Amino acid sequence: DIQMTQSPSSLSASLGDRVTITCRASQTIYTYLDWYQQQVGEAPKLLIYAASNLQSGVPSRFGGSGSGTDFTLTITSLQPEDFATYYCQQSYSAPQTFGQGTRLEIK
Amino acid sequence: QVQLHESGPGLVKPSETLALTCTVSGGSISGYYWSWVRQAPGKGLEWIGQIYYSGSPKYNPSLGNRVTISVDTSKNHLSLKLTSVTAADTAVYYCARAFRGLDYWGQGILVTVSS
Repeated sequence: DIQMTQSPSSLSASLGDRVTITCRASQTIYTYLDWYQQQVGEAPKLLIYAASNLQSGVPSRFGGSGSGTDFTLTITSLQPEDFATYYCQQSYSAPQTFGQGTRLEIK
Repeated sequence: QVQLHESGPGLVKPSETLALTCTVSGGSISGYYWSWVRQAPGKGLEWIGQIYYSGSPKYNPSLGNRVTISVDTSKNHLSLKLTSVTAADTAVYYCARAFRGLDYWGQGILVTVSS
């Protein structure tokens, strides 16, 4: 199985801050990497697909980059609704593993 | 607008079979891959498996041979069966469409394994 490791596991930030979450794969996954946001009690929501493509309807303050084994999700100018848990997932090979999640909290 | 809705028992006894249905509305199940994902209470997301509308399922080896995913295009729904459940299978179960990421999700259904 491909292991996905996110860092940090939790993060405190303030409104208006820029934050970066990292996801590392245990082997190359090219750009088969997606990012999700999950609010408490809700289903995950797709933010970024194929490493850097913004899903329709997602604000442009969200951005993704990377290829191979190292990927980043960047959120510029944090808004109140951005405080949530974020997951990466590789879809290169089964099982399509998720990272352990990064909880973004208000400082 | 595509919508997915999971349904099935919210309580299953240990050693019995968990059976869920995901009904797709607002779009066709044909032409797409479909996934099941679960989330144990307070934990992260776990990929259960995926199936193309015409078949060829793939499963998470961590579930052994306990899991079966199937599609019924005539009813526009997919199904999940998990046999010999234990308390470790207690989770919210989600179905999702797999197209450029998991782009549409159901609201999830909590299944508790308990006697």
